[in-house]
Amino acid sequence: KAGVTQTPRYLIKTRGQQVTLSCSPISGHRSVSWYQQTPGQGLQFLFEYFSETQRNKGNFPGRFSGRQFSNSRSEMNVSTLELGDSALYLCASKPLAGAQDTQYFGPGTRLTVL
Amino acid sequence: AQTVTQSQPEMSVQEAETVTLSCTYDTSESDYYLFWYKQPPSRQMILVIRQEAYKQQNATENRFSVNFQKAAKSFSLKISDSQLGDAAMYFCAYSAQNRGSRLTFGEGTQLTVNP
Repeated sequence: KAGVTQTPRYLIKTRGQQVTLSCSPISGHRSVSWYQQTPGQGLQFLFEYFSETQRNKGNFPGRFSGRQFSNSRSEMNVSTLELGDSALYLCASKPLAGAQDTQYFGPGTRLTVL
Repeated sequence: AQTVTQSQPEMSVQEAETVTLSCTYDTSESDYYLFWYKQPPSRQMILVIRQEAYKQQNATENRFSVNFQKAAKSFSLKISDSQLGDAAMYFCAYSAQNRGSRLTFGEGTQLTVNP
């Protein structure tokens, strides 16, 4: 099976712009989660989608949003970018929504905000 | 709040030797799961091993094993016969049914393997 794929792999944006990141889960996986990784804050949970519905949301401002499509692919959007949004954004998928399922990660999207 | 703590920011080991990475967690949940992930320079997070809290037996995966001490809320990772390819950042992570399936990560331990 193909792994989790994320596009694009690298992005450079300027403050105030918005950005959309995409994640395609492993075939058959219906849950997609997003994480932000920064040197200062480490790995932080953004949100999880299952069957096109947001199930969980981390402690991030409303500028961070996401959605999931019927084929389980997910997008994450960040509006009005700030310098502090520079990070590696990781997407993870798993078959169902339970905590017992192992999450498999994609390679990440490196976002740089200038 | 659930927290995961890795008290060793950096560790090093000689090739073929054994190293143990420490992790402690804080939770009031009874149904939870613990994971070790590795993140090599490529930044791809790779699952190393997982442990269900209800299982008393420690998980093992080839050269990787854990020492799960539920009462002490400790979950250490032992890497035997260390190989150069084991060099990476290692993250301990926790998830619980009552918190959805979000993973809470520790700060990470950077492992260096010396030839």
